[in-house]
Amino acid sequence: KAGVTQTPRYLIKTRGQQVTLSCSPISGHRSVSWYQQTPGQGLQFLFEYFSETQRNKGNFPGRFSGRQFSNSRSEMNVSTLELGDSALYLCASMGGAGAGNGELFFGEGSRLTVL
Amino acid sequence: AQSVTQLGSHVSVSEGALVLLRCNYSSSVPPYLFWYVQYPNQGLQLLLKYTSAATLVKGINGFEAEFKKSETSFHLTKPSAHMSDAAEYFCAVSQYGGSQGNLIFGKGTKLSVKP
Repeated sequence: KAGVTQTPRYLIKTRGQQVTLSCSPISGHRSVSWYQQTPGQGLQFLFEYFSETQRNKGNFPGRFSGRQFSNSRSEMNVSTLELGDSALYLCASMGGAGAGNGELFFGEGSRLTVL
Repeated sequence: AQSVTQLGSHVSVSEGALVLLRCNYSSSVPPYLFWYVQYPNQGLQLLLKYTSAATLVKGINGFEAEFKKSETSFHLTKPSAHMSDAAEYFCAVSQYGGSQGNLIFGKGTKLSVKP
């Protein structure tokens, strides 16, 4: 069974640009969550999608958005990039119909550098 | 609101010595608790989870953790450290009894293993 796949793995952008990150969950998993990891703030929850609907959202500005497609693949977008957006963005999927068991399966992340 | 505190951002042990990584949680509901491990340039991998069943939880790679409600703790232990255990370890609590993908993570503890 293939794991969670994130693309691209590494990318460099400049301030003011926008970026789109992609995540393919484990087959059959309907929940996809996104996290931002930085040395200063650690792991912070961005949002979660389940069956194409956002069901949880963290405390991030509106520049951070996401969506989920009918095949459960998810994308997140960050507009008007700031230097502080440099981070490792992790995607995680969770299985279970409706109520999962809380176990998140993480991808290897997309490392974004903003110059 | 749920929260997690990991005591010690860095822990160093000798190969073969006991590993003890500390985690205390705060939760207004019966918690679902997790330990994850992150190797350099990789995503997070689940070590073990507590879901209100047995208080002593055994995980992968010889790790275990004990849930102590009276102490609000969920410390991670391994009797004998191996060089391959060098990584960063994260304790996390689920806000929704494990049914949704937003976890609250501790700041992490980086484990070093000396030969």
